[in-house]
Amino acid sequence: KNQVEQSPQSLIILEGKNCTLQCNYTVSPFSNLRWYKQDTGRGPVSLTIMTFSENTKSNGRYTATLDADTKQSSLHITASQLSDSASYICVVSAGTYKYIFGTGTRLKVLA
Amino acid sequence: EADIYQTPRYLVIGTGKKITLECSQTMGHDKMYWYQQDPGMELHLIHYSYGVNSTEKGDLSSESTVSRIRTEHFPLTLESARPSHTSQYLCASKREGFYNEQFFGPGTRLTVL
Repeated sequence: KNQVEQSPQSLIILEGKNCTLQCNYTVSPFSNLRWYKQDTGRGPVSLTIMTFSENTKSNGRYTATLDADTKQSSLHITASQLSDSASYICVVSAGTYKYIFGTGTRLKVLA
Repeated sequence: EADIYQTPRYLVIGTGKKITLECSQTMGHDKMYWYQQDPGMELHLIHYSYGVNSTEKGDLSSESTVSRIRTEHFPLTLESARPSHTSQYLCASKREGFYNEQFFGPGTRLTVL
Protein backbone atom coordinates (compact mmCIF):
# COMPACT_ATOMS: atom_id res chain seq x y z
CA LYS A 1 0.00 0.00 0.00
CA ASN A 2 1.33 3.45 -0.94
CA GLN A 3 2.00 5.37 2.24
CA VAL A 4 3.79 8.48 3.48
CA GLU A 5 4.54 8.79 7.19
CA GLN A 6 5.82 11.93 8.84
CA SER A 7 7.38 12.56 12.22
CA PRO A 8 7.07 14.16 14.60
CA GLN A 9 3.33 14.91 14.48
CA SER A 10 3.96 18.24 16.15
CA LEU A 11 6.94 20.24 17.25
CA ILE A 12 7.47 23.38 19.32
CA ILE A 13 10.76 25.30 19.07
CA LEU A 14 12.07 28.69 20.03
CA GLU A 15 12.64 31.37 17.44
CA GLY A 16 16.14 31.19 15.99
CA LYS A 17 16.54 27.46 16.59
CA ASN A 18 16.95 24.82 13.87
CA CYS A 19 14.74 21.79 13.41
CA THR A 20 14.46 18.73 11.20
CA LEU A 21 11.27 17.06 10.04
CA GLN A 22 11.18 13.47 8.80
CA CYS A 23 9.31 11.71 6.02
CA ASN A 24 9.34 7.97 5.30
CA TYR A 25 7.54 6.63 2.27
CA THR A 26 6.57 3.37 0.65
CA VAL A 27 5.37 4.50 -2.75
CA SER A 28 5.77 2.76 -6.06
CA PRO A 29 6.49 3.80 -8.70
CA PHE A 30 8.38 6.81 -7.36
CA SER A 31 8.41 9.95 -9.49
CA ASN A 32 9.35 12.79 -7.15
CA LEU A 33 9.03 14.02 -3.58
CA ARG A 34 7.88 17.48 -2.65
CA TRP A 35 7.67 19.36 0.64
CA TYR A 36 4.80 21.79 1.12
CA LYS A 37 4.13 24.42 3.76
CA GLN A 38 0.49 24.88 4.77
CA ASP A 39 -0.49 27.85 6.87
CA THR A 40 -3.65 27.49 8.96
CA GLY A 41 -6.74 27.93 6.80
CA ARG A 42 -4.73 28.13 3.57
CA GLY A 43 -3.78 25.81 0.76
CA PRO A 44 -0.31 24.17 0.69
CA VAL A 45 2.59 25.99 -1.00
CA SER A 46 5.51 24.11 -2.50
CA LEU A 47 8.93 24.51 -0.85
CA THR A 48 11.13 21.99 -2.68
CA ILE A 49 10.92 19.12 -5.13
CA MET A 50 13.39 16.26 -5.53
CA THR A 51 13.62 13.51 -8.09
CA PHE A 52 15.10 10.05 -7.63
CA SER A 53 18.62 11.19 -8.43
CA GLU A 54 18.72 14.26 -6.21
CA ASN A 55 20.08 14.08 -2.65
CA THR A 56 19.56 17.60 -1.46
CA LYS A 57 17.72 20.75 -2.44
CA SER A 58 17.67 24.14 -0.75
CA ASN A 59 15.21 26.99 -0.77
CA GLY A 60 16.42 29.78 1.46
CA ARG A 61 16.38 28.54 5.05
CA TYR A 62 14.75 25.27 3.98
CA THR A 63 16.93 22.31 2.99
CA ALA A 64 15.44 19.00 1.94
CA THR A 65 17.32 15.72 1.63
CA LEU A 66 16.33 12.49 -0.04
CA ASP A 67 17.70 8.98 0.41
CA ALA A 68 16.01 6.93 -2.29
CA ASP A 69 17.58 3.70 -1.01
CA THR A 70 16.05 3.94 2.45
CA LYS A 71 13.01 5.87 1.16
CA GLN A 72 13.50 8.67 3.61
CA SER A 73 13.44 12.43 3.28
CA SER A 74 14.03 15.23 5.73
CA LEU A 75 13.31 18.95 5.79
CA HIS A 76 15.72 21.07 7.78
CA ILE A 77 14.72 24.57 8.81
CA THR A 78 17.55 26.87 9.80
CA ALA A 79 17.22 29.86 12.14
CA SER A 80 13.48 29.47 12.54
CA GLN A 81 11.17 32.47 12.43
CA LEU A 82 7.69 33.01 13.82
CA SER A 83 6.35 32.87 10.27
CA ASP A 84 7.60 29.30 9.97
CA SER A 85 4.72 28.21 12.21
CA ALA A 86 2.65 25.99 9.91
CA SER A 87 2.09 22.42 8.88
CA TYR A 88 4.77 20.86 6.67
CA ILE A 89 3.53 18.17 4.33
CA CYS A 90 5.58 15.58 2.49
CA VAL A 91 4.05 14.50 -0.83
CA VAL A 92 5.28 11.69 -3.05
CA SER A 93 4.24 11.52 -6.68
CA ALA A 94 3.56 8.04 -7.93
CA GLY A 95 2.74 8.79 -11.51
CA THR A 96 0.64 10.96 -13.75
CA TYR A 97 -2.01 12.01 -11.28
CA LYS A 98 -1.28 10.06 -8.14
CA TYR A 99 0.00 12.09 -5.20
CA ILE A 100 0.38 10.47 -1.81
CA PHE A 101 0.18 13.00 1.02
CA GLY A 102 1.57 12.64 4.52
CA THR A 103 -0.45 13.88 7.49
CA GLY A 104 2.08 16.63 8.09
CA THR A 105 4.14 17.95 10.98
CA ARG A 106 2.64 20.91 12.84
CA LEU A 107 5.44 23.29 13.75
CA LYS A 108 5.01 26.06 16.28
CA VAL A 109 7.77 28.64 16.66
CA LEU A 110 7.69 30.61 19.89
CA ALA A 111 9.21 34.02 20.51
CA GLU B 1 1.37 33.88 -5.39
CA ALA B 2 -0.77 31.34 -7.23
CA ASP B 3 -3.73 32.61 -9.26
CA ILE B 4 -6.23 30.04 -8.11
CA TYR B 5 -9.38 31.05 -6.32
CA GLN B 6 -12.04 29.29 -4.33
CA THR B 7 -15.42 30.53 -3.20
CA PRO B 8 -16.94 30.57 -0.74
CA ARG B 9 -14.14 30.38 1.82
CA TYR B 10 -16.55 29.28 4.54
CA LEU B 11 -20.01 27.74 4.23
CA VAL B 12 -22.45 26.56 6.87
CA ILE B 13 -25.60 24.89 5.55
CA GLY B 14 -28.34 22.54 6.62
CA THR B 15 -28.70 18.88 5.71
CA GLY B 16 -30.24 18.18 2.33
CA LYS B 17 -29.17 21.40 0.64
CA LYS B 18 -27.54 21.44 -2.77
CA ILE B 19 -24.23 23.30 -2.87
CA THR B 20 -21.58 24.17 -5.43
CA LEU B 21 -18.02 24.98 -4.48
CA GLU B 22 -16.31 27.17 -7.04
CA CYS B 23 -12.71 26.91 -8.20
CA SER B 24 -11.09 29.08 -10.85
CA GLN B 25 -7.52 29.50 -12.05
CA THR B 26 -6.06 32.04 -14.44
CA MET B 27 -2.81 30.21 -15.21
CA GLY B 28 -4.15 28.24 -18.17
CA HIS B 29 -3.40 24.93 -16.46
CA ASP B 30 -4.96 21.86 -18.03
CA LYS B 31 -4.88 19.68 -14.92
CA MET B 32 -7.12 20.44 -11.98
CA TYR B 33 -7.85 18.56 -8.76
CA TRP B 34 -10.21 18.51 -5.80
CA TYR B 35 -8.97 17.29 -2.44
CA GLN B 36 -10.74 16.74 0.87
CA GLN B 37 -8.86 17.39 4.08
CA ASP B 38 -10.12 16.75 7.60
CA PRO B 39 -8.37 18.52 10.52
CA GLY B 40 -4.95 17.05 11.20
CA MET B 41 -5.33 14.55 8.39
CA GLU B 42 -3.79 14.11 4.98
CA LEU B 43 -5.30 15.37 1.75
CA HIS B 44 -7.37 12.85 -0.18
CA LEU B 45 -8.01 13.18 -3.90
CA ILE B 46 -11.72 13.10 -4.74
CA HIS B 47 -11.78 14.31 -8.37
CA TYR B 48 -9.38 15.35 -11.10
CA SER B 49 -9.48 16.62 -14.65
CA TYR B 50 -6.93 16.57 -17.47
CA GLY B 51 -8.70 19.23 -19.47
CA VAL B 52 -12.02 20.42 -20.83
CA ASN B 53 -14.71 17.72 -20.77
CA SER B 54 -12.38 15.38 -18.85
CA THR B 55 -13.28 14.36 -15.27
CA GLU B 56 -12.25 11.35 -13.21
CA LYS B 57 -12.93 10.12 -9.69
CA GLY B 58 -10.04 10.08 -7.28
CA ASP B 59 -9.01 7.60 -4.64
CA LEU B 60 -11.47 8.71 -1.98
CA SER B 61 -15.07 7.83 -2.68
CA SER B 62 -17.17 10.96 -2.76
CA GLU B 63 -20.83 11.70 -3.39
CA SER B 64 -19.87 14.95 -5.07
CA THR B 65 -19.71 15.57 -8.82
CA VAL B 66 -17.56 17.90 -10.90
CA SER B 67 -17.62 19.44 -14.35
CA ARG B 68 -14.99 20.99 -16.61
CA ILE B 69 -16.65 23.02 -19.33
CA ARG B 70 -13.96 25.71 -19.39
CA THR B 71 -10.22 25.34 -18.79
CA GLU B 72 -10.21 27.84 -15.95
CA HIS B 73 -13.27 26.59 -14.06
CA PHE B 74 -13.71 23.34 -12.08
CA PRO B 75 -16.76 23.48 -9.80
CA LEU B 76 -17.69 20.75 -7.33
CA THR B 77 -21.34 20.02 -6.53
CA LEU B 78 -23.04 18.18 -3.69
CA GLU B 79 -26.67 17.42 -4.56
CA SER B 80 -27.74 16.77 -0.98
CA ALA B 81 -25.32 17.76 1.74
CA ARG B 82 -24.97 15.65 4.90
CA PRO B 83 -23.04 16.16 8.15
CA SER B 84 -20.50 13.57 6.93
CA HIS B 85 -19.56 16.05 4.17
CA THR B 86 -18.24 18.50 6.75
CA SER B 87 -14.59 19.04 5.82
CA GLN B 88 -12.13 21.35 4.08
CA TYR B 89 -12.13 21.18 0.29
CA LEU B 90 -8.99 22.22 -1.56
CA CYS B 91 -8.75 22.85 -5.29
CA ALA B 92 -5.43 22.64 -7.14
CA SER B 93 -4.11 23.02 -10.68
CA LYS B 94 -0.85 22.30 -12.50
CA ARG B 95 0.76 22.44 -15.91
CA GLU B 96 1.47 19.26 -17.81
CA GLY B 97 4.70 17.57 -16.71
CA PHE B 98 5.70 15.32 -13.81
CA TYR B 99 7.83 17.91 -12.09
CA ASN B 100 5.53 20.88 -12.26
CA GLU B 101 4.01 21.73 -8.94
CA GLN B 102 0.38 21.77 -7.98
CA PHE B 103 -0.84 25.21 -7.02
CA PHE B 104 -3.51 25.14 -4.34
CA GLY B 105 -6.39 27.47 -3.69
CA PRO B 106 -7.12 28.74 -0.16
CA GLY B 107 -9.80 26.11 0.41
CA THR B 108 -13.47 26.06 1.34
CA ARG B 109 -14.37 25.01 4.86
CA LEU B 110 -17.78 23.36 4.71
CA THR B 111 -19.94 22.65 7.74
CA VAL B 112 -23.19 20.75 7.31
CA LEU B 113 -25.54 20.89 10.26
